[in-house]
Amino acid sequence: EVQLVESGGGLVQPGRSLRLSCAASGFNFEDYAMNWVRQAPGKGLEWVSGISWNSDRIAYADSVQGRFTIYRDNAKNSLYLQMNSLRTEDTALYYCAKDVSRGSSAGSDYWGQGTLVSVSS
Amino acid sequence: QSVLTQPPSASGTPGQRVSISCSGSSSNIGGNYVCWYQQLPGTAPKLLIYKSNQRPSGVPDRFSGSKSGTSASLAISGLRSEDEADYYCATWDDSLNGPVVFGGGTKLTVL
Repeated sequence: EVQLVESGGGLVQPGRSLRLSCAASGFNFEDYAMNWVRQAPGKGLEWVSGISWNSDRIAYADSVQGRFTIYRDNAKNSLYLQMNSLRTEDTALYYCAKDVSRGSSAGSDYWGQGTLVSVSS
Repeated sequence: QSVLTQPPSASGTPGQRVSISCSGSSSNIGGNYVCWYQQLPGTAPKLLIYKSNQRPSGVPDRFSGSKSGTSASLAISGLRSEDEADYYCATWDDSLNGPVVFGGGTKLTVL
């Protein structure tokens, strides 16, 4: 059974940093691209970042470019999102999602339950 | 404002066929595959359609996707009460720094 378990969310002040983690199991993690997608309270889905299976292709949404860093450790079956210079508009539920392919696509077939990030003073 | 345009709401009665549209441009839908997601209240999104018209295993064939030019559609036939959810389209956008874009979502109500 595929499982994705996010952790690391919490309440943080604007300008501070947070690192999200996603522990994957039940599939060959090293064979698939991974994505972070967020959803602000009561709002729609927003793709944040994606990383290919071997980390050679990485992309970010404009809204987080330069502040967030995605990376993965295939030996540990783990995905990460380092979030710096957090803003109030980054407040959202952050989902880790497995891509259907090795390169990042728009299709994520498995999702975690999300970890909540709240940015407030 | 989302790059992909979806109607904010749609509705139908049980057994009916409903369609949800997703409108984009040549830099996104026009040149890339489209995916569709279903999000039930309080749950994570579920992939319904990928590569514009492919269903992952386990997704009923009541759900179908199509694409024509710069628009895409999700059709749901034999509507059921459990289909009441939010639906999102997504695709790549070649003109933006961030390659994946979502539509704003459509709230489907089963009357």
